[in-house]
Amino acid sequence: DAKTTQPNSMESNEEEPVHLPCNHSTISGTDYIHWYRQLPSQGPEYVIHGLTSNVNNRMASLAIAEDRKSSTLILHRATLRDAAVYYCILRSPQGGSEKLVFGKGTKLTVNP
Amino acid sequence: NAGVTQTPKFRILKIGQSMTLQCTQDMNHNYMYWYRQDPGMGLKLIYYSVGAGITDKGEVPNGYNVSRSTTEDFPLRLELAAPSQTSVYFCASSNSGGGYTFGSGTRLTVV
Repeated sequence: DAKTTQPNSMESNEEEPVHLPCNHSTISGTDYIHWYRQLPSQGPEYVIHGLTSNVNNRMASLAIAEDRKSSTLILHRATLRDAAVYYCILRSPQGGSEKLVFGKGTKLTVNP
Repeated sequence: NAGVTQTPKFRILKIGQSMTLQCTQDMNHNYMYWYRQDPGMGLKLIYYSVGAGITDKGEVPNGYNVSRSTTEDFPLRLELAAPSQTSVYFCASSNSGGGYTFGSGTRLTVV
């Protein structure tokens, strides 16, 4: 399974943008980049995913580097509810399982 | 849509007892997964299924069994519960390439 590298923790202020980085230098051409978050005492929640192009949805934006070796999850205006652990995970369609392997993620703290 | 439904939400088991954690999804997803999360730790894959009748082991399968007789259901069986199985269990489902949908979890304590 291709690995990702994320900072252990980040801090932001409420209503400011947040850029969460992820490095995945060993990504293969067919790996999807997935982002999930886990709020305290809750199950993981899907945020966004992409393959090559930047992606936007109601929760966040995903910016993917041209060489696909890194990506950035962008929260446009952080709220207190965005405080969570954010996981960047590569999902490979090869091998059949398409399983997600969770690392330690980035713990985001949002200050009021 | 209910999404992924897990039952029960909480359970206390005595050492040596058995139980089945239920997981049902109504999104017609082919892929289903069971994870466990120990306190303060990340999620670890127990078992997964890529379709009805097909299951395979994940990272930590010992002490567990699964079956997938229908697309919708993916129960996880614990035989001879041990304190090391105290954890929060999450079921998830997805289609190929898409995002996972997780259930709300089952918090299990073995005493």
